[in-house]
Amino acid sequence: GDSVTQMEGPVTLSEEAFLTINCTYTATGYPSLFWYVQYPGEGLQLLLKATKADDKGSNKGFEATYRKETTSFHLEKGSVQVSDSAVYFCALSDKGGGADGLTFGKGTHLIIQP
Amino acid sequence: DGGITQSPKYLFRKEGQNVTLSCEQNLNHDAMYWYRQDPGQGLRLIYYSQIVNDFQKGDIAEGYSVSREKKESFPLTVTSAQKNPTAFYLCASSIDRTLGDTQYFGPGTRLTVL
Repeated sequence: GDSVTQMEGPVTLSEEAFLTINCTYTATGYPSLFWYVQYPGEGLQLLLKATKADDKGSNKGFEATYRKETTSFHLEKGSVQVSDSAVYFCALSDKGGGADGLTFGKGTHLIIQP
Repeated sequence: DGGITQSPKYLFRKEGQNVTLSCEQNLNHDAMYWYRQDPGQGLRLIYYSQIVNDFQKGDIAEGYSVSREKKESFPLTVTSAQKNPTAFYLCASSIDRTLGDTQYFGPGTRLTVL
């Protein structure tokens, strides 16, 4: 079945550091890929998405490129802020595989220190 | 403002009791979803509904039930048959269930069984 693997956390960085959170996936069809962010005690918010190979999603300084050849969708940001501290989830939607809903990774807790 | 509301934010129940979690959306979305979130495990799909009066089991439906009598509402009942119900429950909706369609999440309900 479908699965998403993302790097274990917590990831601790200093403010203005470069961020990469790795995400790789396994899917039977041709999935769409998403990054969601969750702040403490809240629901999930869509951060960015990509629906086909080589697409780049971007939002609020975050970027991720859909790499079909490496089945990856790594999240990057050039200069993180304390306000970026949250849990980040990589997810896929693979209707071609007969699934419904989203398949999520386990989440990466990001901590940014001033 | 359009969005998804879940109530209550915190819910406590005694073992052996059924409890119903509310989810309402005013986004005019056809599809709605329920997920369960446990620490370190990401989100797992409980049930989903594509249209009114229709719903399908997700990956972990045992011990749960749903109804979809109105487009705006998708309540989840956690029954006494659910062996480990303490978790954070998230409701989501999307315009429909086409590939790449973004899911929008509510703020969640934290259920604790005493």
